Amino acid sequence: NAGVTQTPKFRVLKTGQSMTLLCAQDMNHEYMYWYRQDPGMGLRLIHYSVGEGTTAKGEVPDGYNVSRLKKQNFLLGLESAAPSQTSVYFCASGTSYQPQHFGDGTRLSIL
Amino acid sequence: DAKTTQPNSMESNEEEPVHLPCNHSTISGTDYIHWYRQLPSQGPEYVIHGLTSNVNNRMASLAIAEDRKSSTLILHRATLRDAAVYYCILRDEVEGTNAGKSTFGDGTTLTVKP
Repeated sequence: NAGVTQTPKFRVLKTGQSMTLLCAQDMNHEYMYWYRQDPGMGLRLIHYSVGEGTTAKGEVPDGYNVSRLKKQNFLLGLESAAPSQTSVYFCASGTSYQPQHFGDGTRLSIL
Repeated sequence: DAKTTQPNSMESNEEEPVHLPCNHSTISGTDYIHWYRQLPSQGPEYVIHGLTSNVNNRMASLAIAEDRKSSTLILHRATLRDAAVYYCILRDEVEGTNAGKSTFGDGTTLTVKP
């Protein structure tokens, strides 16, 4: 049972490049989340989804887009990367009334 | 969205109990209280959650005030492996615009001294 898997684990981008982070869960969870964590800070919610085909904005959605075409996958896209988006990105999944399960994170540096 | 307030840091001695407080004065009736902790260079891990009644599990206990405006995570005997950042969050479980939404604050950094 893999739980929540994030791909890639590390990435370095140049300003203006685009990329997609993939989150996959094998627990049949309805809810999925993308967070970012800057050094010494807590997690901030970027976008989340409460079911296949639905997404909603979190606290810091600007500069990011998401898609949930399949229940088990939640994609986070950066269309034009900026240095301010250098961070560690965590994906999580869960269900109603139950806790979230987190992935190991993606460390993203934008030069 | 309802917010939580936690102290930035706390210290404890090994093998002593630790009480980590959380204030959530704007909590709504459908918000569950969740606690997570994050070890260095890892993703957060679930600790405990509850709605109104006190809760116990193998990791910790959760004491919820009668008015639900505050809660306390209790580690009965702190170990060095309990040194982490502890987050108290609220999650709305009723279907609607905010269903499932979970926002984290900056948490409490717990230091455990040998």
